[in-house]
Amino acid sequence: DAGVIQSPRHEVTEMGQEVTLRCKPISGHDYLFWYRQTMMRGLELLIYFNNNVPIDDSGMPEDRFSAKMPNASFSTLKIQPSEPRDSAVYFCASSFSSGRSLRQFFGPGTRLTVL
Amino acid sequence: GIQVEQSPPDLILQEGANSTLRCNFSDSVNNLQWFHQNPWGQLINLFYIPSGTKQNGRLSATTVATERYSLLYISSSQTTDSGVYFCAPGKAAGNKLTFGGGTRVLVKP
Repeated sequence: DAGVIQSPRHEVTEMGQEVTLRCKPISGHDYLFWYRQTMMRGLELLIYFNNNVPIDDSGMPEDRFSAKMPNASFSTLKIQPSEPRDSAVYFCASSFSSGRSLRQFFGPGTRLTVL
Repeated sequence: GIQVEQSPPDLILQEGANSTLRCNFSDSVNNLQWFHQNPWGQLINLFYIPSGTKQNGRLSATTVATERYSLLYISSSQTTDSGVYFCAPGKAAGNKLTFGGGTRVLVKP
């Protein structure tokens, strides 16, 4: 079975540009998570969805960040406009809901560099 | 939110050695997972272990939820065990996790 798929794997952009990161969760999983990893702040949860509905976006740093999940097999994280401090590795993860194992499975990540 | 403290921050092992990594957390939890981030950056889920003990090959984990800690045991370490090990407890009704700062492990041949 395919794991969590993310695209692109690497993104280099200039300050002020719009960036869109994409994620396809594992089929059948009903939780989807977006994380950001930096040396300074470690792994931070940005937002998570349950059954395509955003549940907690308290980790989204500011209004420049937005996330959507239009269906069970696709989610996007958008940064507009991007800034150099957004440079990080962005991970998407998915899991089943309670009542079954809650193990979260991570995608390979998108390494974002904002110049 | 939950405070998570992992120790030691760094660990150097000779191949074949055993080790124990510790995770302390500040609140009661109903979810705890251990992850390994390999040198290429991939995060691998090792255990979902809100309580009790589980084993998977040379790795095992124990969570004592009432005392707010979890332990990860690595036995007969191999160079492929190198990387960063993260503990991530959660207490919300959903599957929200808070990651610790990690323990960086280097296994030397």
